[in-house]
Amino acid sequence: KNQVEQSPQSLIILEGKNCTLQCNYTVSPFSNLRWYKQDTGRGPVSLTIMTFSENTKSNGRYTATLDADTKQSSLHITASQLSDSASYICVVSGQTGANNLFFGTGTRLTVIP
Amino acid sequence: EAGVAQSPRYKIIEKRQSVAFWCNPISGHATLYWYQQILGQGPKLLIQFQNNGVVDDSQLPKDRFSAERLKGVDSTLKIQPAKLEDSAVYLCASSRTGSSQPQHFGDGTRLSIL
Repeated sequence: KNQVEQSPQSLIILEGKNCTLQCNYTVSPFSNLRWYKQDTGRGPVSLTIMTFSENTKSNGRYTATLDADTKQSSLHITASQLSDSASYICVVSGQTGANNLFFGTGTRLTVIP
Repeated sequence: EAGVAQSPRYKIIEKRQSVAFWCNPISGHATLYWYQQILGQGPKLLIQFQNNGVVDDSQLPKDRFSAERLKGVDSTLKIQPAKLEDSAVYLCASSRTGSSQPQHFGDGTRLSIL
């Protein structure tokens, strides 16, 4: 069964600290993996997208890693800011079929001053 | 470029009533998606359009939900009649054709069923 699991479910960190969010998936065959940031009351916004051959991709203070062998991805946030408070959703795309996007339930990150 | 526009932003109705949501995708995006996001969960795909054709509607509760994209641009999603469990945020997203293309989401319509 194609699934995407994220951990932790929620996380509270102090402003300026780093944190890492995890995404494990069982989607096969695999096409790409995306991380989205969703602010409260807003739609998700794409942070990174990685294909099978890419194992790291950065977008400012956000760095995503992918291990396609173990089917794991992480999103590392450096020097967190209050504006990083949001839900972070991992989405895995399979290679076949129209409905080939599998969403995780997200990690709710709260950055406190 | 202008983002994905959705309206209304909020809607409150009683169960068994009807409701419709509207979405205007980014210009040039052939693929349009409707998602249902229940509080605390990730989005769940309801229907995917490629231009004005339906690519996948396998998770759309067709006894009460319908969607159309007649001219391959704007789209509407309708619920008739609404049930309490339909309370959720309905997100519209669009993308260029291709599985590697990122989806651009609107801010959604928050539906509350009383």
